[in-house]
Order: sequence, then structure tokens, then C-alpha cells
Amino acid sequence: DAKTTQPTSMDCAEGRAANLPCNHSTISGNEYVYWYRQIHSQGPQYIIHGLKNNETNEMASLIITEDRKSSTLILPHATLRDTAVYYCIVRVAIQGAQKLVFGQGTRLTINP
Amino acid sequence: ETGVTQTPRHLVMGMTNKKSLKCEQHLGHNAMYWYKQSAKKPLELMFVYSLEERVENNSVPSRFSPECPNSSHLFLHLHTLQPEDSALYLCASSQGASGKLFFGSGTQLSVL
Repeated sequence: DAKTTQPTSMDCAEGRAANLPCNHSTISGNEYVYWYRQIHSQGPQYIIHGLKNNETNEMASLIITEDRKSSTLILPHATLRDTAVYYCIVRVAIQGAQKLVFGQGTRLTINP
Repeated sequence: ETGVTQTPRHLVMGMTNKKSLKCEQHLGHNAMYWYKQSAKKPLELMFVYSLEERVENNSVPSRFSPECPNSSHLFLHLHTLQPEDSALYLCASSQGASGKLFFGSGTQLSVL
């Protein structure tokens, strides 16, 4: 399974863009990158995913480098409610389901 | 509200008790998952079910016994647990090949 590396923690000012990096240098050609976040004591929440093109949705943007060895999650205008642990995961499909292996993630703190 | 409901939210049990955790999804998904999250540790994948068949069992001790009677319900039967089994137990569901998992709010388990 491809492994991901993320910074342990980051801080960002409210209203600014939060850029969360992830390294996945061993990713295979058909493996997707997924981002989830977990707000304290709740279940993780899906944010966005991509294969090789950049993606954007109502929550965030995902920028994947051309060699696919790293990606950046961008929260364009961070709010206090975006304080959470953010997980970058390389998806492995298994027999009609998924094997999402969560690492330590990045603890993002949005400061007023 | 994610469409995945877990009960109970909190559970305290002795080491000789037998209890069950319940998960129900109202999303029409065909894959369900159990994850364990101990304090200060990443989520650990325990079991994966696809179309009511177990497709992944991550070396989980036999004192944890999953059951998936249909695609909407998932149980985790607990017996003779140890204090180190105290954790947040999270259930999730997905639609087959999609890596987008929907998580419940979890059951916070304390083993005394």
C-alpha cells in the first residue's frame, strides 16, 4: 500500500488560505488520493479526491503534481470550524470495497 | 447527519461482559467498515464487508466478532475485552468502488 507523509501540525489565520501538503512518492498509476478530515470526537468527513488532474469542490481544491508524488489540499478561506485533523490517503480497492488506511494526519489550527 | 447511525454513543463494560455495537446505514451502500481509534493514535481498520461478505480482517483478536446480516446493518460483538480495548469505534459505509466513505459518530467504549 502506498504510504503518505504529512506535517504533524500547521497553523493558519482565519480568512486566509490553508495549504496542506502531502507526500505520496510510492503511489501507483491507478491509485487515487483522498482527503478526509476529523473534527474532535467525530467520525472522519470526506473532503475531496483526485487521480492526476486538479480538482475543486465546494469545500476545497486539490492540486496534484505532474509526477503524482505529492499533492496539496487548499482551503481557500479558512474559518475556525476548519480546525481539525486532515488525512491524506492513497486508496486501495479490495473486492468491491475500499481499504482506506489512515495515518497520523496534519492537525490544522485556525487562529482568529 | 451522515446517514450512518451508531448505537450506543457511549458504553462502559467490565472485562467479563458481553455487549454489541450496532451500525445502520440509510444510504443504500453495499460496503461497511469497522475502524478503531485509540487515544492519540490513528484510525485502525478492523473489518471490511462487501455485499455482506467479510473481505478484510486486519488481524483483529477473536474477542471482537463482526456480523453483517444485510447490507444496511453491521454489528460488532464484544466479549472478554481488555482495558486496552477502550477506544472510539467507528462504523462507515461506501458504495462499492467509491472511496468516499461515510462515517458514523462512533461509540466511545470504556473497558473497566
